[in-house]
Amino acid sequence: QVHLQESGPGLVKPSETLSLTCTVSGGSLDNYFWGWIRQPPGKGLEWIGYLSDTYSTNYNSSLRSRVTMSVDTSKNQFSLRLSSVTAADTALYFCARGTTLWPDWFFDLWGRGTLVTVSS
Amino acid sequence: EIVMTQSPASLSVSPGERATFSCRASQSVTYNIAWYQHKPGQAPRLLIYGASTRATGIPARFSGSGSGTDFTLTISSLQSEDFAVYYCQQYNNWPPRVSFGGGTKVEIK
Repeated sequence: QVHLQESGPGLVKPSETLSLTCTVSGGSLDNYFWGWIRQPPGKGLEWIGYLSDTYSTNYNSSLRSRVTMSVDTSKNQFSLRLSSVTAADTALYFCARGTTLWPDWFFDLWGRGTLVTVSS
Repeated sequence: EIVMTQSPASLSVSPGERATFSCRASQSVTYNIAWYQHKPGQAPRLLIYGASTRATGIPARFSGSGSGTDFTLTISSLQSEDFAVYYCQQYNNWPPRVSFGGGTKVEIK
C-alpha cells in the first residue's frame, strides 16, 4: 500500500525559506504527478504546484516566483521550497499523488499534512 | 486562473437525511472536476472525479453531477462518518491547472 509522509521544520522565521520533503513508501514515483497543497488555518485548500510524470513543474501563478519543487528518485522523495515566507504562509502542508485516468486527473492519495508556522 | 466557488459554506444535517451542495467554476471546466472529503487530522480522501465517477471504494450514497460551470455533490443518506469538509477541485486544460473551492462543512444537526 502506497503511503505519503510529509516532513520538515514546523517553525520557519519570516523571510527565510520553507523546506519540506514528501517520502513515498510502498510504491514508485514513476508515471504519477506529485503535488503540494496547503491549508491556512481556518481556510480552504490551496494548490501550490506539482511535478509531472516527466518531472516537469507546474506552479500556482500566485506562488510561482517563490516556489521550487524537485525530486530525488533514489530516495523516493520529492520536495518543496518556498522562499521569502511571511505569516501568510503559515498552513498545514499536504503532499499528494496525482493520477491520470484519461481524460481525468485527480489527487488520489494524500499525506496527513504537516503544520508549518512562520514566526520569529 | 479558474476560481471555484462552493456553497453553502456550512450545512447542518441530521443523520439519515440527504445533503446537497454546490460548486461553481468561473469558466467552463467541462467535466473536469473532482470532489474530496476531509476530516481534521486525516488525509483528504478522493470521492468523485470526472464530475460523476466514484473513486474506488466510495459508497454509492455519494454521487456527483453537473458539467460546464455548475456541479453538485449529493450524499443520499448521511452517515455519522460523513460529517466532514467537502472540497471541489477543477483540473481543466493539459497539463492540469488546478484550483480548489473554499469547501463546505457538513455538521451534525
